[in-house]
Amino acid sequence: AQSVTQLGSHVSVSEGALVLLRCNYSSSVPPYLFWYVQYPNQGLQLLLKYTSAATLVKGINGFEAEFKKSETSFHLTKPSAHMSDAAEYFCAVSLIQGAQKLVFGQGTRLTINP
Amino acid sequence: EAQVTQNPRYLITVTGKKLTVTCSQNMNHEYMSWYRQDPGLGLRQIYYSMNVEVTDKGDVPEGYKVSRKEKRNFPLILESPSPNQTSLYFCASSFNRDRGPTEAFFGQGTRLTVV
Repeated sequence: AQSVTQLGSHVSVSEGALVLLRCNYSSSVPPYLFWYVQYPNQGLQLLLKYTSAATLVKGINGFEAEFKKSETSFHLTKPSAHMSDAAEYFCAVSLIQGAQKLVFGQGTRLTINP
Repeated sequence: EAQVTQNPRYLITVTGKKLTVTCSQNMNHEYMSWYRQDPGLGLRQIYYSMNVEVTDKGDVPEGYKVSRKEKRNFPLILESPSPNQTSLYFCASSFNRDRGPTEAFFGQGTRLTVV
């Protein structure tokens, strides 16, 4: 069975600093990987997805993630944090391309300090 | 606008009183799912459906029922709610057969409190 671990339930960075949110997965077959963002009182919005094409995936709002098979990781980064990036971020894995069964990490709450 | 619509957004109910949370999508997606979100646990899948009249259990199905009589609708039913079902619930849909695989699209969530 697949699983996802997000290291750090809370991450705090200064505005303008690098954002790094860590995600490691376990899967018996090549997975499909996703990062979602959740703003307060809202649903989940897709940031980016890895579907076995390029290992470096660019998403919305300046975020990107790199799939590293040898490390079973899919860390999310953004070079320069903005106040509007404050939210909760979820990494998810699916074994099936249609994404009907997602397994989520526990989430990382990102705080941006002015 | 492509969207997944859940109702109600907020619900407070008493233990044992049957309730239904509705979910509808307008993207002609084949797959629909229900998740619950709890602090420190992320989202966990309750049930999913790959087609009309085809449903299957997710990771935490106990105490819930679903039905898929129409492609666009996927209601979540709590026959006898209990306080441990207090949670934030999300409906999701994915996969358009004409357009191919897609990511999951999520509704705005339903915050349920059972007292």
